[in-house]
Amino acid sequence: GNSVTQMEGPVTLSEEAFLTINCTYTATGYPSLFWYVQYPGEGLQLLLKATKADDKGSNKGFEATYRKETTSFHLEKGSVQVSDSAVYFCALSDRVGDAGNNRKLIWGLGTSLAVNP
Amino acid sequence: DTGVSQDPRHKITKRGQNVTFRCDPISEHNRLYWYRQTLGQGPEFLTYFQNEAQLEKSRLLSDRFSAERPKGSFSTLEIQRTEQGDSAMYLCASSPYLSGGSYNEQFFGPGTRLTVL
Repeated sequence: GNSVTQMEGPVTLSEEAFLTINCTYTATGYPSLFWYVQYPGEGLQLLLKATKADDKGSNKGFEATYRKETTSFHLEKGSVQVSDSAVYFCALSDRVGDAGNNRKLIWGLGTSLAVNP
Repeated sequence: DTGVSQDPRHKITKRGQNVTFRCDPISEHNRLYWYRQTLGQGPEFLTYFQNEAQLEKSRLLSDRFSAERPKGSFSTLEIQRTEQGDSAMYLCASSPYLSGGSYNEQFFGPGTRLTVL
């Protein structure tokens, strides 16, 4: 079945450092890909998404490009801040049921990021 | 702005007891999802409703689990005869239906943390 593999954490960086969190996937067809973020004590929030090959999702300085040839969707940010400390989840959409456009999410294990001042 | 709400936020119970969780989705969303997340793992899909119809149940959902969504509004997830292995965060998400799209963003609640002693 479809799956997501995410680099293990925790990742610890100094403020203004460059961030990369690797994510690769296994899927049949052409799923949409997502990065969700979970700040301490809060619920999961969609950070960015890409729905087809070569799409680049971006938000709050984070970027990820849907690479079909390498089945990857790595998350990057050029200069992290303390406020970016959170757990980041890579996910893909998978079909629910037999037909239609109903989707469920298949998730990676999450990568914890700690940014020190 | 009222997002997805879940009640209770925390539940501690003894093994063998029954528990029920409630999820109130964003009011105009007709799709509702339940996921389970254990420590150090990503969320795992449990079940999905479109309006009041339960369209898919994961094999993770044993006979002790039942979910309902009467009238297509709030949803409840009941676990009967709880076991220590049921200890987890139970997440609810909702999404709108937008015609023509293959994916609509899922909005997550804060979760209900269940501890089975």
